[in-house]
Amino acid sequence: AQSVAQPEDQVNVAEGNPLTVKCTYSVSGNPYLFWYVQYPNRGLQFLLKYITGDNLVKGSYGFEAEFNKSQTSFHLKKPSALVSDSALYFCAVRDTPPNRDDKIIFGKGTRLHILP
Amino acid sequence: NAGVTQTPKFRVLKTGQSMTLLCAQDMNHEYMYWYRQDPGMGLRLIHYSVGEGTTAKGEVPDGYNVSRLKKQNFLLGLESAAPSQTSVYFCASSNLPLGRSTDTQYFGPGTRLTVL
Repeated sequence: AQSVAQPEDQVNVAEGNPLTVKCTYSVSGNPYLFWYVQYPNRGLQFLLKYITGDNLVKGSYGFEAEFNKSQTSFHLKKPSALVSDSALYFCAVRDTPPNRDDKIIFGKGTRLHILP
Repeated sequence: NAGVTQTPKFRVLKTGQSMTLLCAQDMNHEYMYWYRQDPGMGLRLIHYSVGEGTTAKGEVPDGYNVSRLKKQNFLLGLESAAPSQTSVYFCASSNLPLGRSTDTQYFGPGTRLTVL
């Protein structure tokens, strides 16, 4: 079965500095990987995903993520953080054929605080 | 399009009471999901459905039942509510397969349930 880990409960970054939110995964086959963001009292919003192709995936709001198969990681990054990026971020994974499972499993979430 | 909607937004139950949460989507999506979100636990998949008339268990299915009688609706039932089911419940929908570049999960705004 697939699993995903977000090792940091909270990440603090000064505004204007680069940010990284870490995610590692475990699957039997090849992964589909996702990042979502949740603002207070709201549902989750899709940021980006990796299915295949280039290891560097660009998404919404200037975020990008790098797929690293050897390290089984999919870290979320942004070159210059904004205060409005403060939110809860979730990494998610789905396994792919031939070990296909239709479930998408989420990490526990990382709270990102951007300090003015 | 309304996207994914959830009814009700808030509910307080007493232990042993029953209730049904309704999720509706107007995007003609095949897949629908129910998650619960608890502090420090992230999102955990309760049940999901790969099409009308089908349901499958997720990570934490005990104490819940679901039905997908119509493609656009996915109902989550609690037959005998327990305090451990106090949580925020999110519904999501997506197309199959998620591997296509245009596919992603769309989330509803959530239902906050308190069981006393």
